Amino acid sequence: DAKTTQPPSMDCAEGRAANLPCNHSTISGNEYVYWYRQIHSQGPQYIIHGLKNNETNEMASLIITEDRKSSTLILPHATLRDTAVYYCIVRVGGDMRFGAGTRLTVKP
Amino acid sequence: GAGVSQTPSNKVTEKGKYVELRCDPISGHTALYWYRQSLGQGPEFLIYFQGTGAADDSGLPNDRFFAVRPEGSVSTLKIQRTERGDSAVYLCASSQSGSRNEQFFGPGTRLTVL
Repeated sequence: DAKTTQPPSMDCAEGRAANLPCNHSTISGNEYVYWYRQIHSQGPQYIIHGLKNNETNEMASLIITEDRKSSTLILPHATLRDTAVYYCIVRVGGDMRFGAGTRLTVKP
Repeated sequence: GAGVSQTPSNKVTEKGKYVELRCDPISGHTALYWYRQSLGQGPEFLIYFQGTGAADDSGLPNDRFFAVRPEGSVSTLKIQRTERGDSAVYLCASSQSGSRNEQFFGPGTRLTVL
């Protein structure tokens, strides 16, 4: 599975959009981009995934660049409960290989 | 509905002892995964079951670690001769058949080896 690079931490004001970047320059054609988040002391929670088209669900939007070498997770109106570590993972299937993720802190 | 459950939630043991950690996946999920997470790090893959068989056990760190899933549902992670470095949160996840499906994680078992 391809390696991902994320900033270690980010802050966001409550009610504003949170844009979390991820670089995956070695992604291969059949690898999907997945996002999970982990709130303190809980197991990771699935957010969204995509292959090459942008995706949106009730939690977030995923924007994947045309060359697929990077992506951005967008939380449109961040709340204090969105404070968590966000993981970007690329995978074909089976197990997931997590990196260190981005610690997002939403501030009032 | 019921999610993935793991027991015990906390386990304290002494160096050299044997421990078993249990995972009850979501009913009907054929895939089951074990990860472990050390403080400040992301989860680290250990082993993946598809049904009763281990599809990928490449993440098991050494032969002290073993996992079973005899009936394709509940899984047990077994650690022999525990070492202090085994202390971590052990996470279990399950997913429907189809390897790209989202994984649902349990709350984890916090293992402390004294």
